[in-house]
Amino acid sequence: GQNIDQPTEMTATEGAIVQINCTYQTSGFNGLFWYQQHAGEAPTFLSYNVLDGLEEKGRFSSFLSRSKGYSYLLLKELQMKDSASYLCAVSGSYNTDKLIFGTGTRLQVFP
Amino acid sequence: DADVTQTPRNRITKTGKRIMLECSQTKGHDRMYWYRQDPGLGLRLIYYSFDVKDINKGEISDGYSVSRQAQAKFSLSLESAIPNQTALYFCATSSRDRGFYEQYFGPGTRLTVT
Repeated sequence: GQNIDQPTEMTATEGAIVQINCTYQTSGFNGLFWYQQHAGEAPTFLSYNVLDGLEEKGRFSSFLSRSKGYSYLLLKELQMKDSASYLCAVSGSYNTDKLIFGTGTRLQVFP
Repeated sequence: DADVTQTPRNRITKTGKRIMLECSQTKGHDRMYWYRQDPGLGLRLIYYSFDVKDINKGEISDGYSVSRQAQAKFSLSLESAIPNQTALYFCATSSRDRGFYEQYFGPGTRLTVT
């Protein structure tokens, strides 16, 4: 079967660092995505990893280990506006590019 | 102007009614998708289309149908709405502009079936 697991909720303090983990078991793998979704709004693209290692983009970084079926999203210098849900999604096939989404991690940032 | 638009943004309908949700895009992308989002279940794919003549079922297509009227338009229909179709519906497009298929989501349609 296909399964993507991530924590349901996390909390953190403004200015801190938080790591959101995602583990996956899929029949194929053609990359892992992280999306940010503010309440009631559309998901927006944050990152894409297809090779092992860390991809850094400003305050956000994403890591992938294909052998472990594991990824994390690292958010540094947290701001109040980072309060949102973070969706992990796996592309299982090159030809179809269909995404399988996890249920999302709701992050609340407190002052 | 938004690149991916959805109409209506909110809709309340009664059980048994037929309803159509519309999606339009100005991004020029061939690939379009319909998802629904339910609390605790995440985004689930209903239908997807790689071009006007190519339409495919996703993981939860029962009770839904789609029409790809043009490259820019992809509509989702609920033939006979039922309460468990109450959800937030998203349309998305995708392209390989950056070397991988990145999906761009519309603002969503909140549908309530009473």
